[in-house]
Amino acid sequence: QQQVKQSPQSLIVQKGGISIINCAYENTAFDYFPWYQQFPGKGPALLIAIRPDVSEKKEGRFTISFNKSAKQFSLHIMDSQPGDSATYFCAAGGSTGFQKLVFGTGTRLLVSP
Amino acid sequence: DTGVSQDPRHKITKRGQNVTFRCDPISEHNRLYWYRQTLGQGPEFLTYFQNEAQLEKSRLLSDRFSAERPKGSFSTLEIQRTEQGDSAMYLCASSLAGTGKAGELFFGEGSRLTVL
Repeated sequence: QQQVKQSPQSLIVQKGGISIINCAYENTAFDYFPWYQQFPGKGPALLIAIRPDVSEKKEGRFTISFNKSAKQFSLHIMDSQPGDSATYFCAAGGSTGFQKLVFGTGTRLLVSP
Repeated sequence: DTGVSQDPRHKITKRGQNVTFRCDPISEHNRLYWYRQTLGQGPEFLTYFQNEAQLEKSRLLSDRFSAERPKGSFSTLEIQRTEQGDSAMYLCASSLAGTGKAGELFFGEGSRLTVL
């Protein structure tokens, strides 16, 4: 019940294209769903996050879509750039009390020039 | 720099040796977490502190691992009698509980451990 399943494992997108990464969770107690971006040799950096009271959140070129009934959420990167090439992790947790962040297995994104 | 800092960034040790990692969280954050990340995987929770109290430990944290946060500020993670399976990136993160932002974890750059 603590798992977060992420797909695809890797993704190649042309510059200017849309990158889409999907995640699914099981624990309905989760109420906080962040996405992290990680470059090689660096720690994960918080990119964008959503709570289940909204179905979509947009920040610049990054959008999270959230489907509470399906227990799924996705990250869309519009106008993908070579600088977006990194590993992306979805996660799920709680915004209050303690619900540790549970991470997906990651998606390695390569944006070709 | 006011982010989470970790030291050392890299540690190579021989099997059976003890190693210690230090984490300095963002100064106003009262929660501190340790995660472990192996190649090609997402971070896995090890333990967390609220102020100086260690409130949860994962089953991944064997008795060879110990973490402390003595004054509610920096934390140390010690691994005794290291094994090759301990080779991983050890990530520290912090967050601010009590503001509805407890889940917003800010990670350091990690301490990479290689056990020969």
